[in-house]
Amino acid sequence: KNQVEQSPQSLIILEGKNCTLQCNYTVSPFSNLRWYKQDTGRGPVSLTIMTFSENTKSNGRYTATLDADTKQSSLHITASQLSDSASYICVVSADPSTSGTYKYIFGTGTRLKVLA
Amino acid sequence: DTGVSQDPRHKITKRGQNVTFRCDPISEHNRLYWYRQTLGQGPEFLTYFQNEAQLEKSRLLSDRFSAERPKGSFSTLEIQRTEQGDSAMYLCASSLSDFGYNEQFFGPGTRLTVL
Repeated sequence: KNQVEQSPQSLIILEGKNCTLQCNYTVSPFSNLRWYKQDTGRGPVSLTIMTFSENTKSNGRYTATLDADTKQSSLHITASQLSDSASYICVVSADPSTSGTYKYIFGTGTRLKVLA
Repeated sequence: DTGVSQDPRHKITKRGQNVTFRCDPISEHNRLYWYRQTLGQGPEFLTYFQNEAQLEKSRLLSDRFSAERPKGSFSTLEIQRTEQGDSAMYLCASSLSDFGYNEQFFGPGTRLTVL
């Protein structure tokens, strides 16, 4: 069964600290993995996307890693800011050329709270 | 602002009433998706369109739900005889047709509350 699991469910850190969010998946055949940031009451916004051959991708203070062998990804946030408070959702896409059908598998997200 | 708009942003209705939501995607995007998201959960796929054709529907999309994209541009999602369990955020997203790699751009969502 295609699944995406994220940990922790929630996280509280102090402003300026770093944190790492985890994503494990069992989606097959794998196409790509995205991390989205979703502010409360808003739609998700893409942060990074990685394909099978990429193992790291950065977007400002956000750095995502991918280990396709262990089917794990992480999102590292450096020097956190109050505006980083949001839910971070991991989304894995299955390869449509073999499955033939739509497959976007969403994780349940990690809710991050950054305190002053 | 991602360029995807949804209307209304909030809807409160009584159980048993019908509601309709609208999504306007980014103009050059021919794929349009509908998702439902409940509190503390990730979005759940409902259905998607390639131009005006509805190509896949989730089992979550009961007979009370219907979606259309008549001219391959905007889309509507109608829920008939609403139930309290329909209360959720309904998200729309659009992308270019080569799905998988092309990013989905999400709208701000419509928050539905069924009393």
